[in-house]
Amino acid sequence: AQSVTQPDIHITVSEGASLELRCNYSYGATPYLFWYVQSPGQGLQLLLKYFSGDTLVQGIKGFEAEFKRSQSSFNLRKPSVHWSDAAEYFCAVGPFNTDKLIFGTGTRLQVFP
Amino acid sequence: EAGVTQFPSHSVIEKGQTVTLRCDPISGHDNLYWYRRVMGKEIKFLLHFVKESKQDESGMPNNRFLAERTGGTYSTLKVQPAELEDSGVYFCASSQVGALTGELFFGEGSRLTVL
Repeated sequence: AQSVTQPDIHITVSEGASLELRCNYSYGATPYLFWYVQSPGQGLQLLLKYFSGDTLVQGIKGFEAEFKRSQSSFNLRKPSVHWSDAAEYFCAVGPFNTDKLIFGTGTRLQVFP
Repeated sequence: EAGVTQFPSHSVIEKGQTVTLRCDPISGHDNLYWYRRVMGKEIKFLLHFVKESKQDESGMPNNRFLAERTGGTYSTLKVQPAELEDSGVYFCASSQVGALTGELFFGEGSRLTVL
């Protein structure tokens, strides 16, 4: 069965530090891959997605993610975190021939000044 | 342009009662989805409408849950009778072209607490 693992439940970083959020998926082929973010009091927002092509994907708000087929990973990165990045981040996969997403359990990011 | 709106934002009911959640998608979005997050766990797919038709309802937990989208506009999700394990946050999302090829626009969610 398809699944998504986000091993870090909670991460704390200082403002200006770099960030990497981990995501591993289980799927028989290369699925559609997504990162969504939920800021306090808001709905989930799409940061970026990958299906094919360049394995390094650029998203909004200065985020990027790299697809590594050999590791079944799709980690999210940002070189310098801002206080406004404090939110919960969800990795998701979209299996072929469906129109639904399978989400991970989320990683809550806390940013200290 | 208004985003996806959900009502109520929070509902507290007792076991055995009925609750109806409502979702107003972005105007013009034919695709409407319901997801649920039980505390601390992943966000799980419940069902997908294309206009007024149920495209995929494979994630609906049981027959206590009934979703409708009359006229292909807003949608309701009724839980009757509610059980303790139904507590969680119910998210609605809409999309113009679909979840995979397009983008899902989510509402803020309706938090359901069953006592």
